[in-house]
Amino acid sequence: KQEVTQIPAALSVPEGENLVLNCSFTDSAIYNLQWFRQDPGKGLTSLLLIQSSQREQTSGRLNASLDKSSGRSTLYIAASQPGDSATYLCAGWNSGNTPLVFGKGTRLSVIA
Amino acid sequence: NAGVTQTPKFRILKIGQSMTLQCTQDMNHNYMYWYRQDPGMGLKLIYYSVGAGITDKGEVPNGYNVSRSTTEDFPLRLELAAPSQTSVYFCASSYRGLASDEQFFGPGTRLTVL
Repeated sequence: KQEVTQIPAALSVPEGENLVLNCSFTDSAIYNLQWFRQDPGKGLTSLLLIQSSQREQTSGRLNASLDKSSGRSTLYIAASQPGDSATYLCAGWNSGNTPLVFGKGTRLSVIA
Repeated sequence: NAGVTQTPKFRILKIGQSMTLQCTQDMNHNYMYWYRQDPGMGLKLIYYSVGAGITDKGEVPNGYNVSRSTTEDFPLRLELAAPSQTSVYFCASSYRGLASDEQFFGPGTRLTVL
């Protein structure tokens, strides 16, 4: 059974710092991977989708990469801002017909 | 586009009561999903649908029922509410299949069963 681990569980950084969030899968045969942001009491907002033919995706200050050989993904946030404070979730698929499997998230606080 | 909308936002039920959580999407997506999120845990898939009239079980379907009569709507039914169903419920949709496309989420319904 696929399981997803996100490290660290919580992170607090000063504004302006670059940071990396980590995600790892017990089964490295990841087909697609998606990173989400969740604000307290809110739904999930899709940040980046890495499809089967890709190794990374970038959107603004965010860059996500996927190493399929190890089943690990990282989300890099450049020049962090207080508005980046949220919980970040990664989720992956093993194949075209399997459900999306979620990690428990990393709770990020960016201090002004 | 409103995206994925869910009603109600909050609900308190007594044990044994029933209710329907509503979900609507206006993006003409074929696939729709119901997840639950328990505190400190990842999301778990309850049911999903690949199109009108077609539904299938996810990881945690017990105690729930779904139907999909239109492309836009995917209601989730709780027949006999139990305290174990206290959770936040999210509806999501995507244009293509389970692993083929980006999923978009609604704002959630926070359900408490007492």
